[in-house]
Amino acid sequence: DAKTTQPPSMDCAEGRAANLPCNHSTISGNEYVYWYRQIHSQGPQYIIHGLKNNETNEMASLIITEDRKSSTLILPHATLRDTAVYYCIVRGPSYSGAGSYQLTFGKGTKLSVIP
Amino acid sequence: DTGVSQNPRHKITKRGQNVTFRCDPISEHNRLYWYRQTLGQGPEFLTYFQNEAQLEKSRLLSDRFSAERPKGSFSTLEIQRTEQGDSAMYLCASTRLALQETQYFGPGTRLLVL
Repeated sequence: DAKTTQPPSMDCAEGRAANLPCNHSTISGNEYVYWYRQIHSQGPQYIIHGLKNNETNEMASLIITEDRKSSTLILPHATLRDTAVYYCIVRGPSYSGAGSYQLTFGKGTKLSVIP
Repeated sequence: DTGVSQNPRHKITKRGQNVTFRCDPISEHNRLYWYRQTLGQGPEFLTYFQNEAQLEKSRLLSDRFSAERPKGSFSTLEIQRTEQGDSAMYLCASTRLALQETQYFGPGTRLLVL
Protein backbone atom coordinates (compact mmCIF):
# COMPACT_ATOMS: atom_id res chain seq x y z
CA ASP A 1 0.00 0.00 0.00
CA ALA A 2 1.07 3.57 -0.64
CA LYS A 3 2.36 5.54 2.30
CA THR A 4 0.68 8.63 3.63
CA THR A 5 2.02 11.75 5.30
CA GLN A 6 0.03 13.70 7.87
CA PRO A 7 0.93 16.55 10.22
CA PRO A 8 1.48 15.19 13.75
CA SER A 9 -0.92 17.62 15.40
CA MET A 10 -3.48 20.34 14.74
CA ASP A 11 -5.72 22.60 16.79
CA CYS A 12 -9.21 23.72 15.87
CA ALA A 13 -11.62 26.07 17.64
CA GLU A 14 -14.91 24.54 18.69
CA GLY A 15 -17.62 25.22 16.12
CA ARG A 16 -15.18 25.90 13.31
CA ALA A 17 -14.37 23.59 10.42
CA ALA A 18 -11.44 21.25 10.94
CA ASN A 19 -9.45 20.57 7.78
CA LEU A 20 -7.07 17.65 8.09
CA PRO A 21 -4.61 17.19 5.20
CA CYS A 22 -3.06 13.98 3.95
CA ASN A 23 -0.39 13.49 1.34
CA HIS A 24 -0.36 10.24 -0.66
CA SER A 25 1.76 11.10 -3.66
CA THR A 26 2.48 7.46 -4.61
CA ILE A 27 -1.13 6.29 -4.64
CA SER A 28 -2.06 3.82 -7.38
CA GLY A 29 -5.03 4.20 -9.66
CA ASN A 30 -7.18 1.59 -7.94
CA GLU A 31 -6.32 2.49 -4.34
CA TYR A 32 -8.88 4.05 -2.04
CA VAL A 33 -8.32 6.71 0.59
CA TYR A 34 -9.79 5.78 3.98
CA TRP A 35 -10.08 7.92 7.08
CA TYR A 36 -10.42 6.57 10.60
CA ARG A 37 -10.20 8.27 13.95
CA GLN A 38 -9.34 7.00 17.38
CA ILE A 39 -10.59 8.67 20.49
CA HIS A 40 -8.42 8.04 23.52
CA SER A 41 -8.44 4.40 24.66
CA GLN A 42 -11.08 3.36 22.14
CA GLY A 43 -10.92 1.31 18.96
CA PRO A 44 -10.53 3.14 15.62
CA GLN A 45 -13.76 4.46 14.16
CA TYR A 46 -14.43 4.51 10.43
CA ILE A 47 -15.21 7.96 9.08
CA ILE A 48 -15.26 7.97 5.29
CA HIS A 49 -13.49 6.70 2.19
CA GLY A 50 -13.23 7.61 -1.48
CA LEU A 51 -11.54 6.80 -4.76
CA LYS A 52 -11.65 9.83 -7.05
CA ASN A 53 -14.74 11.87 -6.33
CA ASN A 54 -15.38 13.97 -3.28
CA GLU A 55 -17.50 12.19 -0.69
CA THR A 56 -19.74 13.38 2.12
CA ASN A 57 -21.55 11.59 4.89
CA GLU A 58 -23.08 12.53 8.21
CA MET A 59 -19.69 12.73 9.87
CA ALA A 60 -17.40 14.45 7.39
CA SER A 61 -16.47 15.38 3.85
CA LEU A 62 -13.53 14.00 1.92
CA ILE A 63 -11.94 16.14 -0.76
CA ILE A 64 -9.50 14.35 -3.09
CA THR A 65 -7.38 16.39 -5.47
CA GLU A 66 -7.71 15.74 -9.18
CA ASP A 67 -4.28 14.11 -9.37
CA ARG A 68 -5.22 12.05 -6.26
CA LYS A 69 -1.90 12.83 -4.62
CA SER A 70 -3.49 14.43 -1.59
CA SER A 71 -6.78 14.68 0.23
CA THR A 72 -8.43 16.67 2.98
CA LEU A 73 -10.86 15.47 5.61
CA ILE A 74 -13.28 18.17 6.65
CA LEU A 75 -15.24 18.13 9.90
CA PRO A 76 -17.67 20.99 9.22
CA HIS A 77 -18.41 22.05 12.80
CA ALA A 78 -15.87 20.59 15.18
CA THR A 79 -16.97 19.75 18.72
CA LEU A 80 -14.94 18.78 21.77
CA ARG A 81 -15.92 15.14 21.08
CA ASP A 82 -14.01 15.31 17.81
CA THR A 83 -10.72 15.49 19.71
CA ALA A 84 -8.93 12.35 18.53
CA VAL A 85 -6.11 10.96 16.41
CA TYR A 86 -7.12 10.92 12.74
CA TYR A 87 -5.59 8.36 10.41
CA CYS A 88 -5.43 8.64 6.63
CA ILE A 89 -4.90 5.23 5.00
CA VAL A 90 -4.50 4.20 1.39
CA ARG A 91 -5.60 0.71 0.45
CA GLY A 92 -6.36 -1.29 -2.65
CA PRO A 93 -9.74 -2.85 -3.46
CA SER A 94 -10.66 -6.29 -2.11
CA TYR A 95 -10.95 -9.28 -4.42
CA SER A 96 -12.31 -12.58 -3.30
CA GLY A 97 -9.56 -15.02 -2.35
CA ALA A 98 -6.80 -12.58 -3.20
CA GLY A 99 -5.25 -12.16 0.23
CA SER A 100 -5.86 -9.87 3.13
CA TYR A 101 -6.42 -6.18 2.94
CA GLN A 102 -5.17 -5.05 6.26
CA LEU A 103 -5.10 -1.38 7.04
CA THR A 104 -1.63 0.10 7.39
CA PHE A 105 -1.80 2.85 9.97
CA GLY A 106 0.75 5.61 10.36
CA LYS A 107 0.92 7.85 13.41
CA GLY A 108 -1.95 10.03 12.26
CA THR A 109 -2.81 13.62 13.19
CA LYS A 110 -3.76 14.43 16.75
CA LEU A 111 -6.61 16.92 16.48
CA SER A 112 -7.34 19.00 19.55
CA VAL A 113 -10.63 20.90 19.53
CA ILE A 114 -10.34 23.91 21.78
CA PRO A 115 -13.33 25.51 23.56
CA ASP B 1 -25.47 -4.11 13.62
CA THR B 2 -24.62 -4.55 17.28
CA GLY B 3 -20.96 -3.77 16.68
CA VAL B 4 -17.77 -5.71 17.30
CA SER B 5 -17.29 -6.76 20.90
CA GLN B 6 -14.12 -7.80 22.66
CA ASN B 7 -13.56 -9.43 26.01
CA PRO B 8 -12.04 -8.82 28.40
CA ARG B 9 -11.57 -5.07 28.03
CA HIS B 10 -8.58 -5.10 30.36
CA LYS B 11 -6.20 -7.83 31.44
CA ILE B 12 -3.29 -7.69 33.87
CA THR B 13 -1.08 -10.74 34.02
CA LYS B 14 2.32 -11.77 35.25
CA ARG B 15 5.14 -12.52 32.88
CA GLY B 16 5.10 -16.14 31.78
CA GLN B 17 1.34 -16.62 32.10
CA ASN B 18 -0.96 -17.44 29.21
CA VAL B 19 -3.80 -15.13 28.22
CA THR B 20 -6.71 -15.48 25.81
CA PHE B 21 -8.81 -12.74 24.26
CA ARG B 22 -12.12 -13.09 22.49
CA CYS B 23 -13.61 -11.14 19.61
CA ASP B 24 -17.23 -11.33 18.47
CA PRO B 25 -17.58 -9.76 15.03
CA ILE B 26 -20.60 -8.11 13.52
CA SER B 27 -23.09 -10.75 12.46
CA GLU B 28 -22.47 -12.15 8.96
CA HIS B 29 -19.11 -10.45 8.58
CA ASN B 30 -16.93 -13.10 7.03
CA ARG B 31 -13.56 -11.39 7.44
CA LEU B 32 -11.95 -10.81 10.81
CA TYR B 33 -8.68 -9.05 11.52
CA TRP B 34 -6.48 -8.78 14.61
CA TYR B 35 -4.25 -5.77 15.21
CA ARG B 36 -1.93 -4.73 18.01
CA GLN B 37 -1.35 -1.15 19.13
CA THR B 38 1.44 0.02 21.39
CA LEU B 39 1.55 3.40 23.07
CA GLY B 40 1.90 6.31 20.66
CA GLN B 41 1.72 4.14 17.56
CA GLY B 42 -1.02 3.28 15.10
CA PRO B 43 -2.46 -0.24 15.06
CA GLU B 44 -0.35 -2.93 13.39
CA PHE B 45 -1.76 -5.94 11.55
CA LEU B 46 -1.30 -9.33 13.19
CA THR B 47 -3.48 -11.84 11.35
CA TYR B 48 -6.66 -12.25 9.37
CA PHE B 49 -9.42 -14.82 8.83
CA GLN B 50 -11.81 -15.32 6.00
CA ASN B 51 -14.61 -17.40 7.49
CA GLU B 52 -12.79 -20.05 9.58
CA ALA B 53 -9.57 -20.04 7.54
CA GLN B 54 -6.57 -18.10 8.82
CA LEU B 55 -5.16 -16.78 5.57
CA GLU B 56 -2.34 -14.47 6.58
CA LYS B 57 -0.06 -13.85 9.54
CA SER B 58 2.21 -10.91 10.13
CA ARG B 59 5.84 -11.43 11.07
CA LEU B 60 4.81 -9.72 14.33
CA LEU B 61 2.89 -12.87 15.22
CA SER B 62 5.55 -14.92 17.00
CA ASP B 63 5.09 -18.62 17.71
CA ARG B 64 3.80 -17.71 21.17
CA PHE B 65 0.72 -16.24 19.54
CA SER B 66 -2.11 -18.34 18.15
CA ALA B 67 -5.47 -17.32 16.78
CA GLU B 68 -8.53 -19.34 15.91
CA ARG B 69 -11.93 -18.72 14.44
CA PRO B 70 -13.92 -21.93 14.82
CA LYS B 71 -17.06 -22.10 12.68
CA GLY B 72 -16.25 -18.73 11.21
CA SER B 73 -17.94 -16.80 13.99
CA PHE B 74 -16.08 -15.50 17.07
CA SER B 75 -12.29 -15.53 17.22
CA THR B 76 -9.77 -16.02 20.01
CA LEU B 77 -6.21 -14.78 20.28
CA GLU B 78 -3.97 -16.59 22.75
CA ILE B 79 -0.58 -15.47 23.93
CA GLN B 80 1.53 -18.09 25.66
CA ARG B 81 4.35 -17.34 28.07
CA THR B 82 3.63 -13.61 28.04
CA GLU B 83 6.48 -11.13 28.04
CA GLN B 84 6.50 -7.49 29.10
CA GLY B 85 6.84 -6.51 25.45
CA ASP B 86 3.41 -8.02 24.80
CA SER B 87 1.80 -5.18 26.74
CA ALA B 88 -0.41 -3.41 24.22
CA MET B 89 -3.96 -2.87 23.05
CA TYR B 90 -5.23 -5.80 21.00
CA LEU B 91 -7.86 -4.77 18.48
CA CYS B 92 -10.25 -6.84 16.43
CA ALA B 93 -12.00 -5.66 13.28
CA SER B 94 -14.59 -7.31 11.09
CA THR B 95 -15.88 -6.70 7.60
CA ARG B 96 -18.02 -8.20 4.89
CA LEU B 97 -16.08 -9.16 1.79
CA ALA B 98 -16.68 -6.41 -0.76
CA LEU B 99 -14.71 -4.43 -3.31
CA GLN B 100 -14.67 -1.46 -0.95
CA GLU B 101 -14.61 -3.30 2.33
CA THR B 102 -14.82 -1.19 5.46
CA GLN B 103 -13.36 -2.61 8.64
CA TYR B 104 -15.25 -1.96 11.85
CA PHE B 105 -13.22 -2.14 15.02
CA GLY B 106 -14.07 -3.33 18.48
CA PRO B 107 -13.13 -1.44 21.65
CA GLY B 108 -9.96 -3.47 22.14
CA THR B 109 -8.43 -5.47 24.98
CA ARG B 110 -5.70 -3.68 26.88
CA LEU B 111 -3.05 -6.09 28.15
CA LEU B 112 -0.52 -5.24 30.82
CA VAL B 113 2.19 -7.79 31.54
CA LEU B 114 3.96 -7.25 34.86
